[in-house]
Amino acid sequence: NAGVTQTPKFQVLKTGQSMTLQCAQDMNHNSMYWYRQDPGMGLRLIYYSASEGTTDKGEVPNGYNVSRLNKREFSLRLESAAPSQTSVYFCASSVLAGAHEQFFGPGTRLTVL
Amino acid sequence: AQTVTQSQPEMSVQEAETVTLSCTYDTSESDYYLFWYKQPPSRQMILVIRQEAYKQQNATENRFSVNFQKAAKSFSLKISDSQLGDAAMYFCAYRTLEYGNKLVFGAGTILRVKS
Repeated sequence: NAGVTQTPKFQVLKTGQSMTLQCAQDMNHNSMYWYRQDPGMGLRLIYYSASEGTTDKGEVPNGYNVSRLNKREFSLRLESAAPSQTSVYFCASSVLAGAHEQFFGPGTRLTVL
Repeated sequence: AQTVTQSQPEMSVQEAETVTLSCTYDTSESDYYLFWYKQPPSRQMILVIRQEAYKQQNATENRFSVNFQKAAKSFSLKISDSQLGDAAMYFCAYRTLEYGNKLVFGAGTILRVKS
């Protein structure tokens, strides 16, 4: 099993460009999450999908959209990238209920010039 | 809203010694879960240990143990017999049992291990 995979690993964009970050998990997990990690601030939740067919805003959703394509895949889209969106993005997944932890992907380092 | 505070931006420990990383949190929930994650330079987030709030017994995983003080809302991580491979950023995280089971992270503590 690959666990949680993310593509791409690195990306450089110009201000105003758009892109989609892809995430997939092969653990049959119900819930999936997108976080961003900025220096000195830990990880902050952007959007999450508690189950297939549902998505909800997290702490910092502005400038982002998400799609839960199916149970395996959860994508994050930047419609018009801004320098403030320069960050490392992590996708995670977990079983919906119980004490199970979230499993993280390797992250995508995004730079917006 | 829940918050998690890690008051130590950076810590150092000598190899084979013991170090304790601090974490406090704020919540109005009575039932929840707490985690410590390790992030080495590879960026991969690795679960170190977890604690269920309803359990009074402190969790242990080999050289890693926690001191969970529910009334004080404190959740510290003790690393015994520190090894060079323990050097990483450590994040304390709170998991709500509300819809979505979201994680709230602290800002992290960089742990340096000296040989």
